[in-house]
This record gives sequence, C-alpha cells and structure tokens, in this order.
Amino acid sequence: DIQLTQSPSFLSASVGDRVTITCRASQGISSYLAWYQQKPGKAPKLLISAASTLQSGVPSRFSGSGSGTEFTLTISSLQPEDFATYYCQQLNNYPTFGQGTRLEIK
Amino acid sequence: QVQLVQSGAEVKKPGASVKVSCKASGYTFTGYYMHWVRQAPGQGLEWMGRINPNSGGTNYAQKFEARVTMTRDTSISTVYMELSRLTSDDTAVYYCARKGPFDYWGQGTLVTVSS
Repeated sequence: DIQLTQSPSFLSASVGDRVTITCRASQGISSYLAWYQQKPGKAPKLLISAASTLQSGVPSRFSGSGSGTEFTLTISSLQPEDFATYYCQQLNNYPTFGQGTRLEIK
Repeated sequence: QVQLVQSGAEVKKPGASVKVSCKASGYTFTGYYMHWVRQAPGQGLEWMGRINPNSGGTNYAQKFEARVTMTRDTSISTVYMELSRLTSDDTAVYYCARKGPFDYWGQGTLVTVSS
C-alpha cells in the first residue's frame, strides 16, 4: 500500500493567516492526489483533485500543488469557516488517506 | 442533484454482521464506482473497498478482504456493504462515496459494536 504522511498533524492559526499543509507519499503517485476538508459530524468535502484542480464552488484561497511524492495544500487567508480537519488522498492505486491535519483557531 | 442516502444507525453485538445501504439518485447509477470509507471515533478516514455498479465487480482493502462484501441492486440504484465478524474495533461511521476522487458522499451510518 502507498502510505501518505501529512504534516503537521495539528496546526493552530489565526483568521487571515496563510497556512500550508504537506502530504508526502511513500512512492511516486504522479498527480493522483486529492484534498478533503471535514468538519465535525459531517462527511468530508472534496476541495482539490489531481493535486491542483480546485473543485467547483471551492473558494480560490485554497490551492494545491506538487507531484510525485510531495504535495501541499495552501490556504492563503484563513477564514473562520476553514477551521476543520484536512486529509490528503492518493488515487494512484487503491485509495489511501493521510492521517489528517487538524486546523484550529489560535 | 446527486444524492447518496444511507441507512440508519445500527447497534450490533460482537461476532454479528451488519449491512449498510447507500441509495443513489440524480445521476446514472451504473456510470461511477462507489466506494466505502469508515471513520472510527476521533480517528481518520479508512478506505474499505469499491464496487463497480455496472458489472458488480469489487476490490477490497486487504485489511477487510476476509470480512467485507459489497453488492449492488441496479433496479433501485443502491449499493450495500456487509461487514461480518464484528468486534468493538469496527465501531465507526461508515460512508459511501462516489467516483474517485470522491466527489459526493453519503451522510454516514454509525455502527456501534457492543456487548
């Protein structure tokens, strides 16, 4: 199985901050990477596919980059509704998820 | 609009089986893979497997291969996930999710395993 390691696991930030979450794959996955946002008690929401393609309706403050084994999710200016847990997912083979990054308000 | 509606919460005893349903609407049911993902309390997301609603073909994560069965009924646009030989470690919210990457998700079904 392809392992995904997210860092950090926990992030404390303020409204307006720029934050970056990293996802590293145990082997190359080209651009077969997606990012999800999950709020408590809710199903995850797809934010980005193919490493950098923003889904319809997702604010442009979210962006993704990377290929191969290293990927990033950046939120350019945090809004109150962005405080949630974020997961990366690889789809190069059978899907696997990173362990998650919990983003909390400082 | 695309909707995935799952069956309600279940409470099961250790050793029992559970079958969760996911009814799809708003798109061509046979056109997209359906996946199952679970999330234990306070934990991350875990992919369990997928079914091709057109052919009925399945692929399971190795961890679940001996205990999980995914099926579908095209006449009612519904997929099912059955997990057998339940233990307390199977207590989780179970989600169905369409396609890959997972663009639509069900609302989740809480399965509690307790004696």
